[in-house]
Amino acid sequence: QKEVEQNSGPLSVPEGAIASLNCTYSDRGSQSFFWYRQYSGKSPELIMSIYSNGDKEDGRFTAQLNKASQYVSLLIRDSQPSDSATYLCAVPPSGTYKYIFGTGTRLKVLA
Amino acid sequence: ETGVTQTPRHLVMGMTNKKSLKCEQHLGHNAMYWYKQSAKKPLELMFVYNFKEQTENNSVPSRFSPECPNSSHLFLHLHTLQPEDSALYLCASSQEEKLQGQPQHFGDGTRLSIL
Repeated sequence: QKEVEQNSGPLSVPEGAIASLNCTYSDRGSQSFFWYRQYSGKSPELIMSIYSNGDKEDGRFTAQLNKASQYVSLLIRDSQPSDSATYLCAVPPSGTYKYIFGTGTRLKVLA
Repeated sequence: ETGVTQTPRHLVMGMTNKKSLKCEQHLGHNAMYWYKQSAKKPLELMFVYNFKEQTENNSVPSRFSPECPNSSHLFLHLHTLQPEDSALYLCASSQEEKLQGQPQHFGDGTRLSIL
C-alpha cells in the first residue's frame, strides 16, 4: 500500500514568519509531487508542483524535494493570515497516474 | 473560478432516496475524477474516466454509480446510501489520465449529508 504522510497539525506560526510543511512518501519510484491548498469549504487549489531534486521557488512559496530521503516540503515565507488553510501533499506512485493524498496539514497564521 | 463546476453544493438526503451529483469542466480536459473527502482522512479516489471510458473503480460500493456522457460532464448517481457516506464529494479533471505529472483541477465539491 503506497502511502503519503503529513502531520495533521494545526501548525501555528506568527504573521511574517516562515511556515514549513513536510510530507513523506513511501514509493521510491515516484516522479512528480504536488502541493494543494484547501480553504475550509472550498476546493483544493494547486499551488506548487516539483519533479526534480532541489528547490523550486514561486513567489513566497518554495517546494523542496529530496528523493533519497523521500520527502517533499513546502516553505511559505512572510506568512499571512490569508495563508491559513489545509495544505495537501499529493504523490502519484511509480507506474500510475493516480494521486495518493496525505491527510493534509492545517496551518494557522496568527495576526 | 477553477474551471470545474459542481452542483449542487449541498445535498441532504434520506437513505432510500435517489439523487445525482453533477460535474462540468470548461478546461478542455479529457480525464475526470470523483473523490470522497471525509473528516481527518485523506482524499479517496473513487472513479476515473479517460476519454469517456471508465479506467478506475477503486472498490466503490455499487450504491455509487458514475456516468460520463462526454469529456466535459461527469455524474455520480446515488442510491440507498448509508450514513457513513456523508462526506464532501470532489470532482477533478486533468489533461489526460495517462500523462505523468499532470496537475488535477478540482471543483468546490458537494457536501452530502445522509439522514
